[in-house]
Amino acid sequence: DAKTTQPPSMDCAEGRAANLPCNHSTISGNEYVYWYRQIHSQGPQYIIHGLKNNETNEMASLIITEDRKSSTLILPHATLRDTAVYYCIVRVPPLRSSASKIIFGSGTRLSIRP
Amino acid sequence: GAVVSQHPSRVICKSGTSVKIECRSLDFQATTMFWYRQFPKQSLMLMATSNEGSKATYEQGVEKDKFLINHASLTLSTLTVTSAHPEDSSFYICSARDAGGLYEQYFGPGTRLTVT
Repeated sequence: DAKTTQPPSMDCAEGRAANLPCNHSTISGNEYVYWYRQIHSQGPQYIIHGLKNNETNEMASLIITEDRKSSTLILPHATLRDTAVYYCIVRVPPLRSSASKIIFGSGTRLSIRP
Repeated sequence: GAVVSQHPSRVICKSGTSVKIECRSLDFQATTMFWYRQFPKQSLMLMATSNEGSKATYEQGVEKDKFLINHASLTLSTLTVTSAHPEDSSFYICSARDAGGLYEQYFGPGTRLTVT
């Protein structure tokens, strides 16, 4: 699986949009970009994933550059409950590879300030 | 949505004893389960992958005789930390792959192990 690079920490004011960047310059054509987050002392939580088109769900939006070498996770209206470590992962979807497994990098520690 | 549970959520044991952690997929069948370990302020590290009815595959550097994994059914995997020592104190998280859907991985809430 391709490696990702994320800033170690970021902060954002409550109510504002939080934009979390991720670089994945070695991503392969069949790899998707996944985002998870981990709130303190809890298990990771799936947020969103995409291949090349922008994606949006009830939690966040995912913007992937045209060359697919980087992406941005957007939390449109951050709240204090969004304080967590956010992990950007690139991998082949499990439906397409029985060997697919999630390997976590260092992630970005996002702090939301009141 | 798919739910994965772990039991216990917290456990304290004495050095030299063994402790078992259970991981269950509550509303789906999981032919594959994963075990991760996380030390304070660090990322999750994959320890091993277990497939129902067969031996687990351990990641490099993980002692298979110390971390015994059993995946005897499609909804249950167990991790036994044998002869635990203080350095085994960590947050252990399991994950289960849904065999009936898109094969996605779902994570449990984690088990905090403290060895005194």
